[in-house]
Order: sequence, then structure tokens, then C-alpha cells
Amino acid sequence: DAKTTQPNSMESNEEEPVHLPCNHSTISGTDYIHWYRQLPSQGPEYVIHGLTSNVNNRMASLAIAEDRKSSTLILHRATLRDAAVYYCILSRPNTGNQFYFGTGTSLTVIP
Amino acid sequence: EADIYQTPRYLVIGTGKKITLECSQTMGHDKMYWYQQDPGMELHLIHYSYGVNSTEKGDLSSESTVSRIRTEHFPLTLESARPSHTSQYLCASSDAGTANEKLFFGSGTQLSVL
Repeated sequence: DAKTTQPNSMESNEEEPVHLPCNHSTISGTDYIHWYRQLPSQGPEYVIHGLTSNVNNRMASLAIAEDRKSSTLILHRATLRDAAVYYCILSRPNTGNQFYFGTGTSLTVIP
Repeated sequence: EADIYQTPRYLVIGTGKKITLECSQTMGHDKMYWYQQDPGMELHLIHYSYGVNSTEKGDLSSESTVSRIRTEHFPLTLESARPSHTSQYLCASSDAGTANEKLFFGSGTQLSVL
């Protein structure tokens, strides 16, 4: 399985932007980059995903490096409800365990 | 909003009991998964299914079994629960076969075996 590396934890002040990094140096050409987050006592929820180009949706933005060996999830204005564990995942379509979850980054938002 | 449901939300049970964790989804997804997660740890895939009558073992060996008789239903069974089975069990489904495939998770079942 292609692995990702994320910092164990990060902190952000409320209403400031947050940049969550992810390294995936062994990414292959068919791997999609997914981000999920897990709020306390909940199952993970989808945030965003992309292949090569940067992506934006109502929750966040995804910036993908040109060589695709790293990516950054951007929360434009952190709120207290964004406190969660964020997982960066490489997804290879049509394989068995295509969603490998590591330990993620635990984001603390400071009021 | 995800339409995938897990029951019970919490379960405390004695050693040796047989238990079934229920998971249902109303999205018509073919692919379904069971993950196991201990506090502060990563999710481990224990079972998945490509569709009706399909079940596969995941990366983490588990004493549990699963069945997939209907598309919407993917129950997990432990024949004889032990304290080592204490964990959170998360069920998920996905719209498999597309480049935009995404996972949808239930809220999980927190199992405690005494």
C-alpha cells in the first residue's frame, strides 16, 4: 500500500487559515489523493480529493505539488468545529484495500 | 449527508457471548467495508465486500465474520466475544468503480467485552 506521512498534531487559532501537509513520495500515476476527517466519537467523513490539479470545494482546498509527492489541505478559516483528526489517503481505484488510513493529524483549534 | 447506519452505538457484553453488529446503507452502494479502530490509533480494514455474496478479508486479521445477502446490509458477527475484541468498529460504503469514489462512514459501534 502506498503510504502517507503527516505530522501527528497541529494547532491553529480560530478564524485563521490552516495548512495541513502530507507527504506521499511513493505515489503512483493512478493514485488519487483523498482527505478525510474524523470528529470526536464519529466515523471519518470525506473532505476533498484530487489527482493532479488543485481542487476547491465548500469545505476546503487541496493544493497538490507539481511532482505529486506532497499535498496540502487548506482550511481557509478554522472554526472550533474543524477540530478533528485529518487523514491524507492515497486511493488506487479498483483495488481491494484502496483506502489506507494512517494515524492522521490531530488538529486543535484555539478560541 | 451519509445514509449509512450502525447499531448499536454502544455495546457492553460479557466474554463468550455471540454478537452481531449491524450496518445498513440506503445509497445502493455495491462496496462495503468494516474497519476496526482503537483510541488514538489508525483505522484497520478487517472485511470488505464488492457486492452481494462477496466477502473478502482485509489487512488486519480478525476473528469476526461478515455476510452480504442484500446490497444494503453488511453485518459483522463475533461468535464468542473476548476482551481483546474491545474496540470501535466502523462500517463504510463506497460508490465503487468511478474515479470519484468516496467512502461514507457510519457513526461506529463502540464494543466493550468484559
